[in-house]
Parts: sequence; structure tokens; C-alpha cells
Amino acid sequence: QSALTQPASVSGSLGQSITISCTGTSTDVGGYNYVSWYQQHPGRAPKLMIYDVSNRPSGVSSRFSGSKSGNTASLTVSGLQAEDEADYYCSSFTRSSTSVFGTGTKVTVL
Amino acid sequence: QLQLQESGPGLVKPSETLSLTCSVSGGSISSSIHYWGWIRQPPGRGLEWIGSIYYSGTTYYSLSLKSRVTISIDTSNNQFSLKVNSVTAADTAVYYCARKRSSTWYFDLWGRGTLVTVSS
Repeated sequence: QSALTQPASVSGSLGQSITISCTGTSTDVGGYNYVSWYQQHPGRAPKLMIYDVSNRPSGVSSRFSGSKSGNTASLTVSGLQAEDEADYYCSSFTRSSTSVFGTGTKVTVL
Repeated sequence: QLQLQESGPGLVKPSETLSLTCSVSGGSISSSIHYWGWIRQPPGRGLEWIGSIYYSGTTYYSLSLKSRVTISIDTSNNQFSLKVNSVTAADTAVYYCARKRSSTWYFDLWGRGTLVTVSS
């Protein structure tokens, strides 16, 4: 199972919006609405930000939103803040009843 | 507040078996609505799912690691474990245990992680 494809890095200025893509295939991202997104600060465990494509867990800012079109899922962060600077990973259920993570995206706030 | 805590040796020799335990506190591991899983992250690299287990013992494993990995559960002690056989330097990573909802496929609660280094 190959990792889902994410851009290595994305940057944006304070207050701007950024979007991170996550590309898979019809056997994972495109086949199921089980895409999740995780935020990871250096030296910390990942934190769930979005589940089932577009749902936000309690306590996660509404500035974070998720969507999916075909084999590509996306995470949008609006009103970028300094604390959003982190690594972000997508994940999907697969046809083999396994989980696969994305390659990871480093978000830099300018 | 449910918490997960990984424990085990921080150093393992090549060709030996890596063994870790995840202790669950503040809730029951026998929950019918959760699976329990392991994810690892080599230094400076991305996340890799290893496998998940239900309280009944049902398991799902990464296809690339399936031949070397065993995940087991001990409901009486509220913990689950990971064993990786025949380790090499490529198995050096921070190992996380995490909780997954059984009706879907996301990890909503994570342990802090533990670094395991494979070296002689």
C-alpha cells in the first residue's frame, strides 16, 4: 500500500487561507468517506483535526475544514495563525481493510 | 479522561524482537465501539500504520508488516501489546498507540509515543 500523496510544504501569511491536498486512488480516498487529517507539532503526538472527510472533533477550531473530490481530499485552514505551523497528515481507509497515511505536509506561517 | 501510555525497551538489537505495551487508563479497553492500534514514525519521516485490534481479539495488519507483527490484547489488565520480529535499523521509530472508533476509521486519541532504536 503506497502512501497517499501530499505536497511537501505549504506556506501562507497570517490571516490567509491555505489548502493541503491528499491524493490517493479509487481503492482508498476515492472509494470511502473515511479520510482523516492530523496535526503534529515537533516532538508531539498527532492530533485529530478532521474525520470522515469533513467532520471536526469537539474542540477543534472551525477554521479547519475538509472536503473530497474523486481521489483527492483537501484540508483548508482559514485565518492562518502562528500556532497552525506544524506538520499535517491525511489518512484513509483502504480496500484491504487497512489504513494508509499521507506523506505529510509542513505548513509554514509567514 | 481516557489516557494511553506506551512502555517498553528503548533499545533493541538487530534480528531480535521489539515488544511494546500500551496501558489504557480512565476507561475500559473492552469498549464495543473502539479498536486499539499502533502507528510508528521513523525519525524525521512520516506516519505509518502498523495494525489495530478489537477487544475480542480481531486484528487488522499493515500488509507490508504483517509477516513480522503481532498485536494482542489483555482485557484483564486493560492493555494491548505490539511485537515486531526480526527487527532492523529500519524499524527505528517513535511508536504510538492510539484509539480508533469501530464504526469508522480515524484515531481520536493518541499516546505520547516512545522511541525505539534498533542498534547493536
